[in-house]
Amino acid sequence: NAGVTQTPKFQVLKTGQSMTLQCAQDMNHEYMSWYRQDPGMGLRLIHYSVGAGITDQGEVPNGYNVSRSTTEDFPLRLLSAAPSQTSVYFCASSYSPLPSGNTIYFGEGSWLTVV
Amino acid sequence: KQEVTQIPAALSVPEGENLVLNCSFTDSAIYNLQWFRQDPGKGLTSLLLIQSSQREQTSGRLNASLDKSSGRSTLYIAASQPGDSATYLCAVRGNNAGNMLTFGGGTRLMVKP
Repeated sequence: NAGVTQTPKFQVLKTGQSMTLQCAQDMNHEYMSWYRQDPGMGLRLIHYSVGAGITDQGEVPNGYNVSRSTTEDFPLRLLSAAPSQTSVYFCASSYSPLPSGNTIYFGEGSWLTVV
Repeated sequence: KQEVTQIPAALSVPEGENLVLNCSFTDSAIYNLQWFRQDPGKGLTSLLLIQSSQREQTSGRLNASLDKSSGRSTLYIAASQPGDSATYLCAVRGNNAGNMLTFGGGTRLMVKP
């Protein structure tokens, strides 16, 4: 059971480059989300999706795009990378999009450095 | 805006000690609170989830309590072991926050043999 799979694990980008972080889950979860984790700041929500074709912004959406064409996949696109986007990115999913008691599952993270 | 604080940021204890990790939040209108464990280079693993109507949840040597009115939660770890060494994060889901979890900065725990 793969759970939530993120690729790549590590990436170095030059300022201004674009790239896509991939996220896939095999649990048929409706709700998927992207967080970034910075030292001492916990995790902050970037974008989320409550189902295929539906996305919304989180707390820190600027500089990122998402799409949800299938239930399984939720890629995060950096349009023009900036050093401020150096961070660890986590994808997460859960069965229900509504506030509930369902457990949320996290991927193992993608370490991104923008130079 | 909800703010979640975890104190201390780091904690080192000898093996076998009972310990308490603290989490405080500024807006008591929460739907639930969740404790996670994060190992270095890994994602987060959910440990315990407490609904706003509950006072505590237990799983093995872990016990989490919730006092919504005072904006506090504690994670109690009994008889700590070196394998408990990790970063522990708490996160709250607000009543009106849609699907957003607000995380604390975490407590980095080291249990020495």
